[in-house]
Amino acid sequence: EDQVTQSPEALRLQEGESSSLNCSYTVSGLRGLFWYRQDPGKGPEFLFTLYSAGEEKEKERLKATLTKKESFLHITAPKPEDSATYLCAVQNYGGATNKLIFGTGTLLAVQP
Amino acid sequence: ETGVTQSPTHLIKTRGQQVTLRCSSQSGHNTVSWYQQALGQGPQFIFQYYREEENGRGNFPPRFSGLQFPNYSSELNVNALELDDSALYLCASSLPLGNEQFFGPGTRLTVL
Repeated sequence: EDQVTQSPEALRLQEGESSSLNCSYTVSGLRGLFWYRQDPGKGPEFLFTLYSAGEEKEKERLKATLTKKESFLHITAPKPEDSATYLCAVQNYGGATNKLIFGTGTLLAVQP
Repeated sequence: ETGVTQSPTHLIKTRGQQVTLRCSSQSGHNTVSWYQQALGQGPQFIFQYYREEENGRGNFPPRFSGLQFPNYSSELNVNALELDDSALYLCASSLPLGNEQFFGPGTRLTVL
């Protein structure tokens, strides 16, 4: 069964303190791995798609990387506005849909 | 370019009632997926519509049903509401062969 596990569940950082979020996955055939940001009570906001091991993508203070078993979201010198829940999801090649299988997310709090 | 929109924003129903939630997809996107997100959890796939047909379904009972219209907008209907149906319902749209899904703001459903 396809599964996504994110760690830690929650992370508190000081402004400027860099860290990484982890997403471990098992999937029958990886079509893509996705990172989303979700603010309280809002819909997830798309950040990155990664397709193959070794791939990296960057956006402002965020950098996502992918291996055959896990993905990391690196946050460099975070600011309070980076506080949110970060969700990881995978798509597999099975079936007729492009459904996403999500982890439970990492709640990030960045304190000034 | 208009993003994904959902209505209503919030809804309160009582157990046993029926509810209809609505979604307008992003311009150019003809594939719509619905997800249920319980508090503290990641979104769970309900079903997906493409060309007005359901082309995939997650582990949800038949009382969860949907429609897609010629303009690609969609409805999610839930009959015989149960307390556990209380959640954030998310609609996401994508291109037919595209992997990225873009989410709307969600509808918060509370069942009393």
